[in-house]
Amino acid sequence: SAVISQKPSRDICQRGTSLTIQCQVDSQVTMMFWYRQQPGQSLTLIATANQGSEATYESGFVIDKFPISRPNLTFSTLTVSNMSPEDSSIYLCSVRGGGFSEQYFGPGTRLTVT
Amino acid sequence: AQSVTQPDIHITVSEGASLELRCNYSYGATPYLFWYVQSPGQGLQLLLKYFSGDTLVQGIKGFEAEFKRSQSSFNLRKPSVHWSDAAEYFCAGANFGNEKLTFGTGTRLTIIP
Repeated sequence: SAVISQKPSRDICQRGTSLTIQCQVDSQVTMMFWYRQQPGQSLTLIATANQGSEATYESGFVIDKFPISRPNLTFSTLTVSNMSPEDSSIYLCSVRGGGFSEQYFGPGTRLTVT
Repeated sequence: AQSVTQPDIHITVSEGASLELRCNYSYGATPYLFWYVQSPGQGLQLLLKYFSGDTLVQGIKGFEAEFKRSQSSFNLRKPSVHWSDAAEYFCAGANFGNEKLTFGTGTRLTIIP
């Protein structure tokens, strides 16, 4: 399985600012995913990021709020823009594994917006 | 709509006792099914997966799960839990050919001495 790291592991941010979260994988992967996990909730897919193409966003998530970059096969960033307290969540990246639909997850970034 | 349901929000089990966590799915065809565990402050770790074939699948940490098409279930079991098993458990599913996972709402497992 892939080893995935995320930076930062946690952050406390002011309302109205932006935070960029980095996701690094130790091997080349085609598909990467970004999820949000609100407090006490399950995971919700934000977008799918394939290298060399625009990210595909799920219903309820827009590029202006959550711009994603995917410059190569081992790295991706998610920016949470113009933050509000409702954005306080854990943000996780994942990569497609070897099996059908199998995914491996990073440790997550815990974001608190004040 | 395709979905995964975990009926139990919170389960408490004594250390050494057996465990069964429930998961029901709603998919048109045979889905791909997964169980993940999330320890406090951690990301998700894949426990086991079902694609096809044997309906009883073995995973890591002594966990197993059984796929039952007649009941649309994929329940997670462990014969004897350890205090370190205390965590949040998520069932997830995907359709054949679909890379996107749908997660259940999770079951929080508490272990008492």
